[in-house]
This record gives sequence, structure tokens and C-alpha cells, in this order.
Amino acid sequence: AQSVTQPDIHITVSEGASLELRCNYSYGATPYLFWYVQSPGQGLQLLLKYFSGDTLVQGIKGFEAEFKRSQSSFNLRKPSVHWSDAAEYFCAVGRNTGTASKLTFGTGTRLQVTL
Amino acid sequence: DTGVSQNPRHKITKRGQNVTFRCDPISEHNRLYWYRQTLGQGPEFLTYFQNEAQLEKSRLLSDRFSAERPKGSFSTLEIQRTEQGDSAMYLCASSFPGRLSYEQYFGPGTRLTVT
Repeated sequence: AQSVTQPDIHITVSEGASLELRCNYSYGATPYLFWYVQSPGQGLQLLLKYFSGDTLVQGIKGFEAEFKRSQSSFNLRKPSVHWSDAAEYFCAVGRNTGTASKLTFGTGTRLQVTL
Repeated sequence: DTGVSQNPRHKITKRGQNVTFRCDPISEHNRLYWYRQTLGQGPEFLTYFQNEAQLEKSRLLSDRFSAERPKGSFSTLEIQRTEQGDSAMYLCASSFPGRLSYEQYFGPGTRLTVT
């Protein structure tokens, strides 16, 4: 069965510093990979997605992620964090069960930004 | 595009009572998903509709849970005889079919508290 591991439960960075959130997946085939962000009281918003092709994908809000098949990783990065980036971030893998396109999420990483 | 809406946003109920939640998806989307998110966890897939047909249900969805999408537009999720373990955030998402079905747009969720 597919699974997603986000090893960091909580990360604190200073505003303006760079950010990398880790995500490792387990999936038998070529995965579809996603990063979502959830702000307090809000639903999940899609930041970026990887289906195939270029392993470095660009998303919204200045985020990017790199798919590394050899490491089963899909880490999220941002060169300079803004205070408004404080939120919870979820990595997800998509799987087609034949009837549904199901997303399996990691447990999330909470990002705190200090001024 | 008004996004995915969910009502109510919060529900407090006593154990043993029945509750019903509503989800209004993005109007062009024919796929609708329900997820459950407990504290400290990522969302977990519950069930999925394509138009009015419920095509898949998770083992997480016990017999006390029922979901409908009568006209292929809005959906309801009912929990009968609620238990304290049902306390969670219930998220609804919608998408286009095909490969785009992995790009799921989430509503703000309904937070259920069972006392």
C-alpha cells in the first residue's frame, strides 16, 4: 500500500530564510505527488503537483519541489520565507484504484515563521 | 468560481445524536470526495462520487455513516448515533474527471465535536 512520510512535525524558520520540508513516499508505480497547504480554519490549497516530466516543479506562492525517484522523495522548498507562509503543509501521493483518484496524505509539517 | 463550500463550519453534538453535513462543490466538477482529518493527522479518504454515483467507500466508513449526492450536485454526509471517536474535521473536495481528478479543491471543512 502507498504511504507518505513527513519526518518533521514542526519546523521554525526566520522570515527571509530558506525553507525545505521533507517528504518521502512509498508507492509501487510512478507516483503522482502533491503538496497542499492548510491555514488555520481553512481548507487545503494545492501548492504544486508532479505527474511526469521535469523533476523540478514550480508552484504558487514561490514554492518549488523536486522529485527524486532514487530517494523516493518530493521535498518542498522556498528560497525566502514570508510570515504569511506559517501554516501546515501536507505532502500527498495520488493513486488510481480503478474507480477513484485517491490521495494519501502524510501527517503534515507545521511551519512557524519568526520575525 | 465560488469554491467548495461546507455547512455547518462547526457542529457540537451529544453522543448518540445524528448529524448531517452538506458540501457544495465547484459547479463544473463532477467528482466529489469526503475526507476525515483528526488532530495531528493528514486527511483520510472516506468516500467518492462521480456525478450521483457513489463509487468507492473506505473501510473507515462504518455502517453509521452514509453519504448521498442525489442530483450530482451537492452532497450530504450523515453520521448516525455519533460516538466520541467521530470527533474530527470532515473535509469535502471536488475535481474534474480523468487525470485532473487528482487536483482536488477542498472546502473549509466541518469540525465535529461529540461530547
